[in-house]
Amino acid sequence: AQTVTQSQPEMSVQEAETVTLSCTYDTSESDYYLFWYKQPPSRQMILVIRQEAYKQQNATENRFSVNFQKAAKSFSLKISDSQLGDAAMYFCAYRSAKSTNAGKSTFGDGTTLTVKP
Amino acid sequence: SQTIHQWPATLVQPVGSPLSLECTVEGTSNPNLYWYRQAAGRGLQLLFYSVGIGQISSEVPQNLSASRPQDRQFILSSKKLLLSDSGFYLCAWERGLRGNYGYTFGSGTRLTVV
Repeated sequence: AQTVTQSQPEMSVQEAETVTLSCTYDTSESDYYLFWYKQPPSRQMILVIRQEAYKQQNATENRFSVNFQKAAKSFSLKISDSQLGDAAMYFCAYRSAKSTNAGKSTFGDGTTLTVKP
Repeated sequence: SQTIHQWPATLVQPVGSPLSLECTVEGTSNPNLYWYRQAAGRGLQLLFYSVGIGQISSEVPQNLSASRPQDRQFILSSKKLLLSDSGFYLCAWERGLRGNYGYTFGSGTRLTVV
């Protein structure tokens, strides 16, 4: 079974600075998808960014980018120019690309990000 | 547009009472649907998933059950709630034919069993 580990329960960043959240995963599969989700205090879970394992290029969405290291099974999230609205719990998730998987995702335990003004 | 609705938002129920949480999706057909539970300050635990009407798979043996009576409706139920059923429940719909677009989540239900 796949596992996802987020080793930083809490992180803090100064407004306008850059922060990197770590995520590692364990799998024997070669084709899969990785996601970062954001859960603000409202608890509405929102997809931030996604990465397909067969793509070598790191995904980028505005101020959010990832560093995907397939061999190291690492998938970190970088938030540039941090804003107060970025304060949330961030979850890393793994989803096998196998059709028999039925879309089940494995989530890490999350990292709580605090943004200081 | 594609949206997902989940209700109620908050629920306080006594031990032993029944439960029914509902989730509906709009703007898509034959979606993969999921029920997750989130303990306080923790990640998500998959409870049930469904790839079609009447098709329910359970991931964790427990006091809960799920049903999918219509294509875009997913219901989480219990006949008798336990204290341990308290938590934050999230319904999700998987976007994209290959699942590569991730989940869209409902707004969640905070369940407190007293």
